[in-house]
Amino acid sequence: QITLTESGPILVKPTQTLTLTCSFSGFSLSTSGESVGWIRQPPGKALEWLAFIFWDDDKQYSPSLKNRLTVTKDTSKNQVVLTMTSVDPVDTATYYCAHRRSYGPGDWCFDLWGRGTLVTVSS
Amino acid sequence: IQLTQSPSSLSAYVGDRVTITCRASRSISSHLNWYQEKPGKAPKLLIYTASSLQSGVPSRFSGSGSGTDFTLTISSLQPEDFATYFCQQSYNTPPTFGGGTKVETK
Repeated sequence: QITLTESGPILVKPTQTLTLTCSFSGFSLSTSGESVGWIRQPPGKALEWLAFIFWDDDKQYSPSLKNRLTVTKDTSKNQVVLTMTSVDPVDTATYYCAHRRSYGPGDWCFDLWGRGTLVTVSS
Repeated sequence: IQLTQSPSSLSAYVGDRVTITCRASRSISSHLNWYQEKPGKAPKLLIYTASSLQSGVPSRFSGSGSGTDFTLTISSLQPEDFATYFCQQSYNTPPTFGGGTKVETK
């Protein structure tokens, strides 16, 4: 059974760096084909994809946030860490991590999500 | 690729048939997934590849469409179905989501 749990600060000041951790169980990011994604949702707004990290340490980032995001994994701890630099109040959102399931060339979905963690950026 | 959902919200009774549409700005074949979101809970995958029902999801949920136009249908709305629904395309990177449809009780 796959579970994912996000953790991190509730409040971050503008210009600071936000660090979020996704702790998961039920799969290993050292297994071929596995991947975890980060998605966020500002209050009252739509979901926005942020990043992927793959089993082979390949990474993909949102083009609009690429310069501010870094995603890493620690396979021994079953954790994925997302860092976002130079945060701004517009980065206030619920941040989710999710397991990406691939089932064919180009076919994938987020089959399991964490419950999310609300991060507020304010001075 | 931009995904436009309609309506953004709707009111319905328990037992109603509910249809939500998702239109892509260009063809995405069948690379479209649907999710249900409830406050304080993890989003839940309902439909993948436009029409495949995720394991454990009630059969009253169905998806259809290909190319640019997609539909999520709830055949008989149940009390636990009042939620927000999102579509998401996996055709290319960056993956994108629709704006969401909030289903409320009438």
